Amino acid sequence: GEDVEQSLFLSVREGDSSVINCTYTDSSSTYLYWYKQEPGAGLQLLTYIFSNMDMKQDQRLTVLLNKKDKHLSLRIADTQTGDSAIYFCAESTGFQKLVFGTGTRLLVSP
Amino acid sequence: DTEVTQTPKHLVMGMTNKKSLKCEQHMGHRAMYWYKQKAKKPPELMFVYSYEKLSINESVPSRFSPECPNSSLLNLHLHALQPEDSALYLCASSLPADYNSPLHFGNGTRLTVT
Repeated sequence: GEDVEQSLFLSVREGDSSVINCTYTDSSSTYLYWYKQEPGAGLQLLTYIFSNMDMKQDQRLTVLLNKKDKHLSLRIADTQTGDSAIYFCAESTGFQKLVFGTGTRLLVSP
Repeated sequence: DTEVTQTPKHLVMGMTNKKSLKCEQHMGHRAMYWYKQKAKKPPELMFVYSYEKLSINESVPSRFSPECPNSSLLNLHLHALQPEDSALYLCASSLPADYNSPLHFGNGTRLTVT
């Protein structure tokens, strides 16, 4: 089945690093995505990684993929209060059928 | 600013009303999607259009009727909805569905059914 799990909540102080974790189940996933959702808004694509990569860095964002353990993580360096939002990982299970994780609410305090 | 535009932002409708949600993109994408998101939950796929043809219907009740008049527009016609249909309805688009390209989402329409 398709089940993508994330921890529900993460709280950090401004300036610290945040690490959001995701566990997926479909080993045939070709792409894995991270989306950010602010209150009352849609989903903003942050970054994505192809399944044959281990790591991808994009400015303050670092994505790590452990395909053997089906584990994906998103690290945000120098976290700011504007990073407070819900973060969803998602796997592409074929024909652009995205399955989203349960979402992690990140709270950044000053 | 999102490149996928959804209107209206908010919609309140009674159970006997007929209304439509609209979505527009000008990124040249040929796949368009409707997702439904309930509070504190992840989005769930409803429909996928690929090259203006319906390719996926995730067993959505017939009171939701999608339409793709051209490659830039996607509508969702609503009729005889139930209060449990209240949710955020998200539209998304991507390059053709077989390209495995990322989905770009609009800001959604928040629907309340009374």
